[in-house]
Amino acid sequence: QVQLVQSGAEVKKPGASVKVSCKASGYTFTSYYMHWVRQAPGQGLEWMGIINPSGGSTSYAQKFQGRVTMTRDTSTSTVYMELSSLRSEDTAVYYCARILGYCSGGSCYGAFDIWGQGTMVTVSS
Amino acid sequence: QSALTQPASVSGSPGQSITISCTGTSSDVGSYNLVSWYQQHPGKAPKLMIYEGSKRPSGVSNRFSGSKSGNTASLTISGLQAEDEADYYCCSYAGIVVFGGGTKLTVL
Repeated sequence: QVQLVQSGAEVKKPGASVKVSCKASGYTFTSYYMHWVRQAPGQGLEWMGIINPSGGSTSYAQKFQGRVTMTRDTSTSTVYMELSSLRSEDTAVYYCARILGYCSGGSCYGAFDIWGQGTMVTVSS
Repeated sequence: QSALTQPASVSGSPGQSITISCTGTSSDVGSYNLVSWYQQHPGKAPKLMIYEGSKRPSGVSNRFSGSKSGNTASLTISGLQAEDEADYYCCSYAGIVVFGGGTKLTVL
């Protein structure tokens, strides 16, 4: 079945970086753009960015520009999200989510139909 | 881009119907029929319940329905069941992704 499986929980010190993986299965990896969304404890959902698994192009939310890098490995059907210069406010569950929709002219439109199980990242000294 | 506005909480008794509103602007909710709704139980990933304003993914109960009027989208749950108790988020995704703040549904 279609699923996204993420890497395990991480504990990092302030200033460090974290890299979370999301392995796709059950569908053609390169046919669906992938997003990253995070959720701080007790808070709502926050969009971080998107990657095209086919060509590797990315677009990031302004808030994370310069700190986030999204990459993919088509040989293993895996996307990665790396966040650097971590601070306590980055403590959150990080989700990958597949797009249900279309992309045209550099913009995408739709919804998120498949989600990973989430990866808890804790930033603490 | 500001977050979409949802009520912090709603409640209802089993068997009743409830509606959760999601208010945006003419630049997001009002411009496109691309509002989606997600259900999230504690400790779980969000689950897509409604997309393109009113479409249900396969496997989602027809007790869940979506609609829109102007800059406000709505999620209606009829025949409330205990398992519907969860957080619900709306989202507008038309070039830019904007989430609502979330609504906690309590089934009394």
